[in-house]
Amino acid sequence: NAGVTQTPKFQVLKTGQSMTLQCAQDMNHEYMSWYRQDPGMGLRLIHYSVGAGITDQGEVPNGYNVSRSTTEDFPLRLLSAAPSQTSVYFCASSYSNSKSKAGYTFGSGTRLTVV
Amino acid sequence: GNSVTQMEGPVTLSEEAFLTINCTYTATGYPSLFWYVQYPGEGLQLLLKATKADDKGSNKGFEATYRKETTSFHLEKGSVQVSDSAVYFCALSVSSNDYKLSFGAGTTVTVRA
Repeated sequence: NAGVTQTPKFQVLKTGQSMTLQCAQDMNHEYMSWYRQDPGMGLRLIHYSVGAGITDQGEVPNGYNVSRSTTEDFPLRLLSAAPSQTSVYFCASSYSNSKSKAGYTFGSGTRLTVV
Repeated sequence: GNSVTQMEGPVTLSEEAFLTINCTYTATGYPSLFWYVQYPGEGLQLLLKATKADDKGSNKGFEATYRKETTSFHLEKGSVQVSDSAVYFCALSVSSNDYKLSFGAGTTVTVRA
């Protein structure tokens, strides 16, 4: 089925470990983003990409890296996990400006716990 | 900057009750406004949208009208069902930065049979 696929769905890390959250979309969307969802704070933008080879920081980028080598994939890397990064992470994609009024398509999320 | 404020929950209703979730916004430029819904254990889904003043978005019995004069986009449904139990997020994007969505904190709605 077409959409945004995130893996893994659940992950537990120890403080200081690194890992990559995977995100892939098959809709040929130009824009892709990573959000984190924390209770009472809605979703906050971590990083985003407007196309292959182009990335930029969102509201809460510290501790995270991204790259966009292909249109389809937009992995999020945690360099050295901290308990403050315990959250639910969502990847989302969208067409470019002229079509984005249709809204984003979200993945089903990755629940990350850092102990 | 851009921001969205929505009523805090949780909201608990009986089936067939009327639901209103207030949402107000602050934005530069002319934002597009969205309501997203998150069912338990799932990702967010677009519920409805409005792209200019006085537009009314509607879907699945939900409605919201883009009110520029009051900078509001309140969500309403006339008769809720148990299946409407979810978290509802109001969001906006500004035309010059469509790839950035600013979200409200979310409102948890529970509908009891």
